[in-house]
Amino acid sequence: AQSVTQPDIHITVSEGASLELRCNYSYGATPYLFWYVQSPGQGLQLLLKYFSGDTLVQGIKGFEAEFKRSQSSFNLRKPSVHWSDAAEYFCAVGAQSNTGKLIFGQGTTLQVKP
Amino acid sequence: NAGVTQTPKFQVLKTGQSMTLQCAQDMNHEYMSWYRQDPGMGLRLIHYSVGAGITDQGEVPNGYNVSRSTTEDFPLRLLSAAPSQTSVYFCASSYDRGAHEQYFGPGTRLTVT
Repeated sequence: AQSVTQPDIHITVSEGASLELRCNYSYGATPYLFWYVQSPGQGLQLLLKYFSGDTLVQGIKGFEAEFKRSQSSFNLRKPSVHWSDAAEYFCAVGAQSNTGKLIFGQGTTLQVKP
Repeated sequence: NAGVTQTPKFQVLKTGQSMTLQCAQDMNHEYMSWYRQDPGMGLRLIHYSVGAGITDQGEVPNGYNVSRSTTEDFPLRLLSAAPSQTSVYFCASSYDRGAHEQYFGPGTRLTVT
C-alpha cells in the first residue's frame, strides 16, 4: 500500500539557518510528489511538485526539493529560513494516477528561532 | 475567482445531530475531494468525486455522505455526528484526476460534544 512518512514531527531552526525536511514514500510505480505548507488556521498551499523529468524541483518562497528514487525520498530544502516560514509542512504522494487521490504524511511542524 | 470556498468556518454539534459542510469551487475543476485533519495523522481522504454524478469512498468514509449534482458543489453530510468526528475538514479540487495538484479551501473546524 502507498504510504508517506515524515520522520520529524517537530523541527526548530534559527532564522537564517538552512532547513531540510525529510519525506520518504512507498509507492510501486513512478510517484507524483508534493509538498504543501499550512500556516496556523489556514488551508494548505502548494509549495512544489514533482511529476517527471529533472529530479531537483524549485518551488515558491525559495523552497526546493530533490526526488531520489533509490532512496524513495523527496526532501524539502531551503538555504536560509525566515521567521515567516514557521508553519506545518506536509509531503504527499499521488496514490493512483486514475483517481487523483493523495496520500499525506503526518506533517512536520517548523519553529523558527529569532 | 474565489477558488475553493467552505462554509461554515466553525461548527459545534451535539452527538447525534446531522449537518452539511458546504464546498464550492469556481475554477471548473472536474475533481473534488474531502479530507479530515487530525493531530499527528496528516490529512485523510474521506470521499472524492471525479465529476458531476460520480463519487467514491476514500480512506475514512464511515459516517459521511457526499453527492455531486453540479461541477461547482461538493457537500459533505454528517449523518449522525459522533465525538470521533471532531476534526478540521478540508475540501480540495483539481483540474482533473490526473493532475493531482489540488487547491484547498480554508477548512471547517467541527467540534462534536
